[in-house]
Amino acid sequence: GAVVSQHPSRVICKSGTSVKIECRSLDFQATTMFWYRQFPKQSLMLMATSNEGSKATYEQGVEKDKFLINHASLTLSTLTVTSAHPEDSSFYICSARGMGGANYGYTFGSGTRLTVV
Amino acid sequence: AQKVTQAQTEISVVEKEDVTLDCVYETRDTTYYLFWYKQPPSGELVFLIRRNSFDEQNEISGRYSWNFQKSTSSFNFTITASQVVDSAVYFCALSEGEGTTDSWGKLQFGAGTQVVVTP
Repeated sequence: GAVVSQHPSRVICKSGTSVKIECRSLDFQATTMFWYRQFPKQSLMLMATSNEGSKATYEQGVEKDKFLINHASLTLSTLTVTSAHPEDSSFYICSARGMGGANYGYTFGSGTRLTVV
Repeated sequence: AQKVTQAQTEISVVEKEDVTLDCVYETRDTTYYLFWYKQPPSGELVFLIRRNSFDEQNEISGRYSWNFQKSTSSFNFTITASQVVDSAVYFCALSEGEGTTDSWGKLQFGAGTQVVVTP
């Protein structure tokens, strides 16, 4: 149980365009989803926390207008990288926390490798 | 402040050697969870273990073992008889708080340790 699905796994986009990444909880209801970013050869850093039905909370230094997060249902959260630039190229990965503590956020999606050209 | 420290950037071993990865954490919470993940070159995070702050028992799972010592705030990971397939980056992570707090499920990662196992 506690499966988190993330799509796409890999995306290449042109500079200035927007990219949407989806994170789904397949077998539980995720009241909270976490979005992380990992630059090459670096650790994972939390970008934002999204709660179903409310605005996301962004970590310091993360531009909320650039990284739009929508958590409209208990099974889906999306991260949209708007007006992407080469410096946004990174590995983005999500995890989810369910009701009653289900999945404590320790199962991750498979990640999305974004390359902006 | 860095809450999870993995001082070893890279460890290289020859197959069948044992390798121990160090993890030192910092927290003021009495309830917290510690994790280890494996990240192979493909990028996905493979969950290895979760340990809560009230359970200091060491754990063994196949060739993997973990040593949790609250007195030294350490949660070390040992791979016994390493294999080439163990080559990956290994992350230690900390989650503070408990089920009713906002931080529940939010992970803080160490810098990671690259393990290279050669035949």
